[in-house]
Amino acid sequence: GAVVSQHPSRVICKSGTSVKIECRSLDFQATTMFWYRQFPKQSLMLMATSNEGSKATYEQGVEKDKFLINHASLTLSTLTVTSAHPEDSSFYICSAPPGTSAGETQYFGPGTRLLVL
Amino acid sequence: SQKIEQNSEALNIQEGKTATLTCNYTNYSPAYLQWYRQDPGRGPVFLLLIRENEKEKRKERLKVTFDTTLKQSLFHITASQPADSATYLCALEVTGGGNKLTFGTGTQLKVEL
Repeated sequence: GAVVSQHPSRVICKSGTSVKIECRSLDFQATTMFWYRQFPKQSLMLMATSNEGSKATYEQGVEKDKFLINHASLTLSTLTVTSAHPEDSSFYICSAPPGTSAGETQYFGPGTRLLVL
Repeated sequence: SQKIEQNSEALNIQEGKTATLTCNYTNYSPAYLQWYRQDPGRGPVFLLLIRENEKEKRKERLKVTFDTTLKQSLFHITASQPADSATYLCALEVTGGGNKLTFGTGTQLKVEL
C-alpha cells in the first residue's frame, strides 16, 4: 500500500519556540493532505486540510496563525507550531488520500509526538 | 449536534470468538464509512470502506455492515486473535466533503488467550 512518512517522530521543545513537522507521501502524489491532533485516550481531531498550491483550510477553533501549514509540493506538507506552549503537547498525525475522488481511503503517517516543556 | 459514538468501554473477548464493534452517528448523512485500526503511538491503518448504498462488506476475517436507517455501522472480527488487540476507529465522509474524515471516539479491543 501507499506510504506516508512523518518527521520527526518525537520532539521536545521549550515553551515559546516553534516546531516544524513534515509529512511526505513516499510513493504517490497528494494534492491534499490532512493534519490531525490526538490527545491521550481521545480520537483524532481534524485540524486543517493542506492544499498544494493554495492556502490551507482550517477547522473551526483552530488558529491558523499558530498552526502554519505549507504544502510545498505534491509530496510534502509541513505543519509549524508557532510559539508552542505546554497545552500544544499532543500527537500530531497527517494523512493523504492517493487520489481526489470521493470515497478514497487515506494513508496515515506514523505520527509525531510533541512535548512542550 | 453531530456525533459519532463508539463503545466507550474497552471490549475484552476470548481468542477465537467474534468481536463486534459499534459505530453510531447522529446528524450526519455519510456517503462513505471507513474503519481503521490504530495501535498505541502509531497512525491509523485503513481496514475497510463501505458506501451508503452498500449493506455489507467483507475482507478476510473482517465484516462491516452499514444501516443508514439506524445510522449505525457494525464491525465484526471473526476468529479473533491476540494480534487483533488495538483501538478501532470508524470515520465518516460526507458527499462534497473533499475527502475529509470525521472520526468516532474509538473502541479498544483486547483479545485474550
